[in-house]
Amino acid sequence: QVKLLQSGAALVKPGASVKMSCKASGYTFTDYWVSWVKQSHGKSLEWIGEIYPNSGATNFNEKFKGKATLTVDKSTSTAYMELSRLTSEDSAIYYCTRTRWIPYYFDYWGQGVMVTVSS
Amino acid sequence: DTVLTQSPALAVSPGERVSISCRASEGVNSYMHWYQQKPGQQPKLLIYKASNLASGVPARFSGSGSGTDFTLTIDPVEADDTATYFCQQSWNDPRTFGGGTKLELK
Repeated sequence: QVKLLQSGAALVKPGASVKMSCKASGYTFTDYWVSWVKQSHGKSLEWIGEIYPNSGATNFNEKFKGKATLTVDKSTSTAYMELSRLTSEDSAIYYCTRTRWIPYYFDYWGQGVMVTVSS
Repeated sequence: DTVLTQSPALAVSPGERVSISCRASEGVNSYMHWYQQKPGQQPKLLIYKASNLASGVPARFSGSGSGTDFTLTIDPVEADDTATYFCQQSWNDPRTFGGGTKLELK
């Protein structure tokens, strides 16, 4: 069965960076895009961007360009997202998802990573 | 960005029918999808492309609509359906989500 296992919660200082992982199993990792979604305040959801593991191609929400960097390691079927120059606005839960290409919906979700930005 | 507007909360009794609406600020064709999120859990796909039931989702859930107005219907509602329901569009860039509708059981 399809699983996306994300790394653990992170407490980071303002101005620092954080890198989180998303290990995929149960499907061919290189066949599907992986998207990342932010959930703030336990409510609203925002699409950050996506990466195609086969080629490394990426697409981003303009709002998160310069904030998020997406990479993959095909050898371990793992996707990564690094967030830089963190502020309190980046405190949120971050989900990785498997994306079904056209019409671009998210059919499987990881359990989420809670990031807290605090000094 | 395309804004998706959902009513914040609904309360229904078990066994009733409930319709959750999602209105888009601009047309999204049929590229509207619905997710269920229970407290402390990740969202789960229910409906894709307006009216297609995701794998393993009970037939009590259905979706309809096109253009700017969409509806998720649960009939009949069960106690386990207590959750927040989000719509998401993928026709316009960037993909956006609605604010969510919290469904409570009376």
